[in-house]
Parts: sequence; structure tokens; C-alpha cells
Amino acid sequence: KAGVTQTPRYLIKTRGQQVTLSCSPISGHRSVSWYQQTPGQGLQFLFEYFSETQRNKGNFPGRFSGRQFSNSRSEMNVSTLELGDSALYLCASGPRDGSYEQYFGPGTRLTVT
Amino acid sequence: GQSLEQPSEVTAVEGAIVQINCTYQTSGFYGLSWYQQHDGGAPTFLSYNGLDGLEETGRFSSFLSRSDSYGYLLLQELQMKDSASYFCAVPFSGGYNKLIFGAGTRLAVHP
Repeated sequence: KAGVTQTPRYLIKTRGQQVTLSCSPISGHRSVSWYQQTPGQGLQFLFEYFSETQRNKGNFPGRFSGRQFSNSRSEMNVSTLELGDSALYLCASGPRDGSYEQYFGPGTRLTVT
Repeated sequence: GQSLEQPSEVTAVEGAIVQINCTYQTSGFYGLSWYQQHDGGAPTFLSYNGLDGLEETGRFSSFLSRSDSYGYLLLQELQMKDSASYFCAVPFSGGYNKLIFGAGTRLAVHP
């Protein structure tokens, strides 16, 4: 079974631009969560989607948004990029609602210049 | 709020045993998970403790004490490939699909 895939793997953007990151969960997984990882703040929860519904959102500004499609694929969007948005963005999927085991993708490394 | 504390770095030699501690403060507790992340890689699930006691998976074991709000990850027969960052994590207020992570413990295994 293929793992969680994320595209693109690397991205360089300039301040003020917007970016869309994509995540395809493991086949059959309906839960998708997004995390931001930085050296200073560690792993921080962004959003969680289940069956196309955003159920939870972390403490991030409204510039960060996301959505989930009917095939469970998910996208996250960051508008008006800031230098501090440079991070590794990780997507994780879970086999069922309430599963404590999350499967992470390789991440998208976003650099904002 | 919720917070987890773990040591920032641990060093050990091949073949040794190392214990990585994690203390937590949560408004509601549903269990403690452990993840491993190699440099440049994705976090990988290692173990989960929903109840007090020890869970063993090969060379790795994890322990939980709910009364002490404390858990640890025990790595035995250390190998060079175990050099990585280890994170403890708790589900956020009842949502298993959203995790609050500790800052991570960087384990360096030396020959």
C-alpha cells in the first residue's frame, strides 16, 4: 500500500505570494491532518479534516486555510506569505476516526525569501 | 492548555539502553504516543500507551503513569540507526487525529 504522498517536496516563494500544498493520504484513510515543523516551534498542529469537513484548527492566522476533497486528498493554502512561514509542512493520515496512529508524509519544505 | 516536556538531547553508545522521559499537562488525557523522526524524514509512529504500564515492541518499550502525568520511551540494544529525534505526543482534547507534540529529544548514538 502506498504511503502518504505530498507535493511538491520543495518550494521557494517570495513574501506576499501564496502557495498551495497537496497531500494524498493512504488509500482508505479518511482523516487528514496538517502540521507545521520549524526549528523554533517544533511540530504544531494546523488543521484536521475528516470526510471533507474541517473538524479542528490550530492556532494559526487566517492566512492558513485548507480543504479536503471527496477522495480524501487534501490541500492547504497559505496566502500573503511571510518569512516566518518557512517550514516543513507535514501531512498525516489516520486509518479511522479515533485512531491514535498517524501516518506522516515526507513533507513539503517551503522557503519564503 | 496542554504541554509536554522532554529532554532536548540524549547521548548514548551502541548496545546501550537509553530512556527518554516525557511529562505532560493536559486538560483531558487520552493516551501518550511516541514518534521517531530521522533528519530530513517524516515522523514515524513508534508506540501508544492508553493505559498505565509498559508496552513492548521489539527493542522499543514505552511506559505510562497517568497518576504521575509521566511516560518514557526505552530503547534497548542501541544501534547507530537509532540516532534520530523522538517526540512524545498527546491527542488534543479528545481528537485523536490532532496531536500536540513535545519539542523532541535528539538522540545521538556513538560507536
